[in-house]
Amino acid sequence: AQKVTQAQTEISVVEKEDVTLDCVYETRDTTYYLFWYKQPPSGELVFLIRRNSFDEQNEISGRYSWNFQKSTSSFNFTITASQVVDSAVYFCAPLPPGAQKLVFGQGTRLTINP
Amino acid sequence: NAGVMQNPRHLVRRRGQEARLRCSPMKGHSHVYWYRQLPEEGLKFMVYLQKENIIDESGMPKERFSAEFPKEGPSILRIQQVVRGDSAAYFCASSPPGLAGVGEQFFGPGTRLTVL
Repeated sequence: AQKVTQAQTEISVVEKEDVTLDCVYETRDTTYYLFWYKQPPSGELVFLIRRNSFDEQNEISGRYSWNFQKSTSSFNFTITASQVVDSAVYFCAPLPPGAQKLVFGQGTRLTINP
Repeated sequence: NAGVMQNPRHLVRRRGQEARLRCSPMKGHSHVYWYRQLPEEGLKFMVYLQKENIIDESGMPKERFSAEFPKEGPSILRIQQVVRGDSAAYFCASSPPGLAGVGEQFFGPGTRLTVL
C-alpha cells in the first residue's frame, strides 16, 4: 500500500524567501506516478505536477521546482522567491500504475507573510 | 471546455436528513472519483465509478453512503441519515477514458457539507 509522509505540518516564511516542502512516500511498486496539488484558501484543488518514477530529472516551472530522489523515496517541492499568493495547503500524492485512487499526504500549510 | 462541476457548493443538513451531492465530470470524461476531506486533514479516497459501474468502493463507509454514475446525468454521492461526523468537504474528480491511473485527475470545487 502507498503511504505518504509530509512531515512539515505548517511552514511560515516571509515573502521572497525560498521554501522547500518535503514529501516522502512508501511503495512496493517499481513504477508509479507522483503528484503535487495546491489547495488555496478558496478550497479548490489545483494540479501542479505529475512525475513518472522513470524520470528522475528535476523539473523547474517558473518559481516552482521539484526534486525527485527515487533512492530516498522523496519528491520535494521548492518555491523560489515566495509570494503571498503562494499561501495554501500543499499535498503530495502517489499513484501506483493501474490504481485509481490518489493517496494524499496530510498536507503542508504554507503561509507567506508580507 | 467547462471543468468538473459540483453542486451544491455548500449544503447544510440536520442530523437524520439525507444529503445528495452531484458531480458533472468534464466533457468526454467517463471516470469519476469521490474524495472526502475532513477538517484539517488530507483527502481520502471514497469511490471510483465509470458509467453505470462502481469499480472501487473500498473507501466508502459500509453504511449510509452510496454512489452512482448513471448513463445519463451527473454522478451522485448520497448520504442517508447524516450525522455530525459527516461534516466535511466532498470533492469529485474526473479523468478521461484510457488515462485513468496515469493522467491527473481533474478536481471540482468541492461541496462543503455541514451537519447541524
